[in-house]
Amino acid sequence: QVQLQQSGPGLVKPSQTLSLTCAISGDSVSSNTVGWNWIRQSPSRGLEWLGRTYYRSKWYNDYAVSVKSRITITPDTSKNHFSLQLNSVTPEDTAVYYCARSRQGYDYWGRGTLVTVSS
Amino acid sequence: QSVLTQPPSVSGAPGQRVTISCTGSSSNIGAGYNVHWYQQLPGTAPKLLIYDNSNRPSGVPDRFSGSKSGTSASLAITGLQAEDEASYYCQSYESSLSGWVFGGGTKLTVL
Repeated sequence: QVQLQQSGPGLVKPSQTLSLTCAISGDSVSSNTVGWNWIRQSPSRGLEWLGRTYYRSKWYNDYAVSVKSRITITPDTSKNHFSLQLNSVTPEDTAVYYCARSRQGYDYWGRGTLVTVSS
Repeated sequence: QSVLTQPPSVSGAPGQRVTISCTGSSSNIGAGYNVHWYQQLPGTAPKLLIYDNSNRPSGVPDRFSGSKSGTSASLAITGLQAEDEASYYCQSYESSLSGWVFGGGTKLTVL
């Protein structure tokens, strides 16, 4: 059974960097049949896919146009996890952030982390 | 404004059948990209309900079914139960954005 365990701070100051990690159990971040995603949800923006990392003989990343200039998703094979960094955050980035595995749809999700951007 | 349009709310009595529509365009559903559906209970992460337009993951009751035609998709729930009260989201790929998008969500109320 795949489980995704999220960790990271729930409060970030404006202009700083939001950092979250998703630890994977029951699967490998290096699996060549799935992707590893970050998705957020807020009342104003609904569910929003932010990006993914995946391995197909080498590492690839895809990012949403809306955050492409500010986002980095990084896999860590030694710890079997992947991380999200979102730079230069504003209050508009306040949301519940989820990590999720994609195979045919997003079939496994983390429990979510409420991140508030406030001074 | 979501790329995929869903009705904000639907309702039905226990035992009835309801459908939730997801309207897209030629750059997402109409382009042949798969549609997936999720159920979200309050305070929890979304749960995959239907994948690849009409397939149910293991453990999802056969009361839930999905279909796709043209630029739209639908989720049908038969034999409504109180536990089905939740928000439902469709999701597909949007070629103009080179990324995945969700519908705005539909809140199902069981009367």
